[in-house]
Amino acid sequence: DQQVKQNSPSLSVQEGRISILNCDYTNSMFDYFLWYKKYPAEGPTFLISISSIKDKNEDGRFTVFLNKSAKHLSLHIVPSQPGDSAVYFCAASYSFGNEKLTFGTGTRLTIIP
Amino acid sequence: ETGVTQTPRHLVMGMTNKKSLKCEQHLGHNAMYWYKQSAKKPLELMFVYNFKEQTENNSVPSRFSPECPNSSHLFLHLHTLQPEDSALYLCASSLEGSGGRYEQYFGPGTRLTVT
Repeated sequence: DQQVKQNSPSLSVQEGRISILNCDYTNSMFDYFLWYKKYPAEGPTFLISISSIKDKNEDGRFTVFLNKSAKHLSLHIVPSQPGDSAVYFCAASYSFGNEKLTFGTGTRLTIIP
Repeated sequence: ETGVTQTPRHLVMGMTNKKSLKCEQHLGHNAMYWYKQSAKKPLELMFVYNFKEQTENNSVPSRFSPECPNSSHLFLHLHTLQPEDSALYLCASSLEGSGGRYEQYFGPGTRLTVT
């Protein structure tokens, strides 16, 4: 049973517009969420995170929103740039000394110039 | 070298071979991880080492054998693999004990093909 789901395998967005990537989770114990970005032939790199005590975290062009009641989070990229074309993974973890990250299957974002 | 490095980057092996994957982190971290990424599947955690002690074995078959001689090095020894073990194997590290709010840093991965 997949506890973290990214239901859109791919997304295409025009350069300069907003990209919105979505992620749903089923385990209500998760209290920390991360987004990773992966280019071909490279490992995933950390992008942005959010704790469950917040509903929004912003870092430059990237904003993550968390809706705990819906068990949903989203990553907004604005404005989208060609270098943002990559696969984006959502991941979740929970406290009490557990270091495990549970990942989604990823969404391939393509920015169209 | 900086960050997390993995060697080899590509490996083709027969089902009767024995090979090892190597991971090294230069970040001063104290936890290291092996993940498996198969096509169309999420990253699957295989093993966790915390301060050189294995703290997690995620029901991984015994044909995969991890080794962590120190907090900077992690190996994955492979023997009698199956074609379905072909995947991208990713190593990661993190700094534990930092209040649980950390991120894992990944290496570039080893693309393994079992023939």
